Amino acid sequence: DAGVIQSPRHEVTEMGQEVTLRCKPISGHDYLFWYRQTMMRGLELLIYFNNNVPIDDSGMPEDRFSAKMPNASFSTLKIQPSEPRDSAVYFCASSHRRSSTDTQYFGPGTRLTVL
Amino acid sequence: KNQVEQSPQSLIILEGKNCTLQCNYTVSPFSNLRWYKQDTGRGPVSLTIMTFSENTKSNGRYTATLDADTKQSSLHITASQLSDSASYICVVSEGIGSGTYKYIFGTGTRLKVLA
Repeated sequence: DAGVIQSPRHEVTEMGQEVTLRCKPISGHDYLFWYRQTMMRGLELLIYFNNNVPIDDSGMPEDRFSAKMPNASFSTLKIQPSEPRDSAVYFCASSHRRSSTDTQYFGPGTRLTVL
Repeated sequence: KNQVEQSPQSLIILEGKNCTLQCNYTVSPFSNLRWYKQDTGRGPVSLTIMTFSENTKSNGRYTATLDADTKQSSLHITASQLSDSASYICVVSEGIGSGTYKYIFGTGTRLKVLA
């Protein structure tokens, strides 16, 4: 398996623009997670899906952030409008099941820079 | 407030030496504790996952311990190698019922192994 795939790997945009990050989870995994990582705040869980349904979006910072999972093999995280403070590395992860010992497999991340 | 604190913030050791990283948490109810290794520019990779009843778990040269009474965990690295240079992140899961979990992240320990 190719692992979790994210695109783009790097994104530079100007404040106010819409940004869409993409993720393809590992085939057969039922759970998908979106994380954000910054030097100041470390790794933060934004939202996670189970069988394409959003379960917990309490980590989504503002209404400017939205995430969708239209099918089992694709998810997007959208920021509209983007702001400089959104600059971070965004990770997508997937796992087979949400038990007490499930292992999450992370993608390589998308480094977002908002100017 | 549920928190996970890691120490030290950063650490430099010589190749071949052992080291121990600390993780203290106040998360309740506790579900499990994970240690991740994150290489620069990559996504985190799971090293160990421990539930309440487990007090030690090994993964090669990595050994994690858990003391659920004192709410402390440690990650011991034996005979360090240059490839151990990375950030190590402690993550504690809070069980919030109905099989749902909330992840509380530490800010990580940055380890540098020198030749």
